[in-house]
Amino acid sequence: DIVMAQSPDSLAVSLGERATINCKSSQSVLYSSTNKNYLAWYQQKPGQPPKLLIYWASIRESGVPDRFSGSGSGTDFTLTISSLQAEDVAVYYCQQYYSTPRTFGQGTKVEIK
Amino acid sequence: QVHLQESGPGLVKPSGTLSLTCVVSSGSISVSNWWSWVRQPPGKGLEWIGEIYHSGSTNYNPSLKSRVTISVDKSKNQLSLKLNSVTAADTAVYYCARDLEARGFFDYWGQGTLVTVSS
Repeated sequence: DIVMAQSPDSLAVSLGERATINCKSSQSVLYSSTNKNYLAWYQQKPGQPPKLLIYWASIRESGVPDRFSGSGSGTDFTLTISSLQAEDVAVYYCQQYYSTPRTFGQGTKVEIK
Repeated sequence: QVHLQESGPGLVKPSGTLSLTCVVSSGSISVSNWWSWVRQPPGKGLEWIGEIYHSGSTNYNPSLKSRVTISVDKSKNQLSLKLNSVTAADTAVYYCARDLEARGFFDYWGQGTLVTVSS
């Protein structure tokens, strides 16, 4: 199985400031034949299911605000919230879909400082 | 807008079988999508259980494979999950989710249903 490790486990950021979440996979999720990274990011608010934010490591899902961006390749990825809003308080998960079983990071809790 | 709704018993006895269904609305289950089950123990992270295609092809998480069966009923536009020999460790919110065109990530999720394993 591909193990996904996120850091930090939690972070507190002031409103309007940048939040950065890291995700590292135990093996590369870059598929050479497609040159795509098989990595997605989700946001989960309390009592709600996860919501897809980013796929192919950097493509924003329709309707997701442009303050959310994804970057990285191979084994190291980053989700950045450029200017944190109150509604962004949530837990964020990365997920690899390079192979089955699909696996998720342990989650990063984002709070307001 | 695809809508997924999970349902099933909220309480299952240890050693029993957990059975859930997921009804897919506003979209046919018989298109080029895979449908997954994902679970989340209270206060913990997400675990992928397995997936099914409308043809009945399945893939399971090896950690659960010996206890899991996922099936599809195209006439009812729904998928089902059975997990047998449950223990308290299987207590979780269970979600169904859509993998559009087998890309591997999940664009639509149900609201989830909490299943507690307890005597």
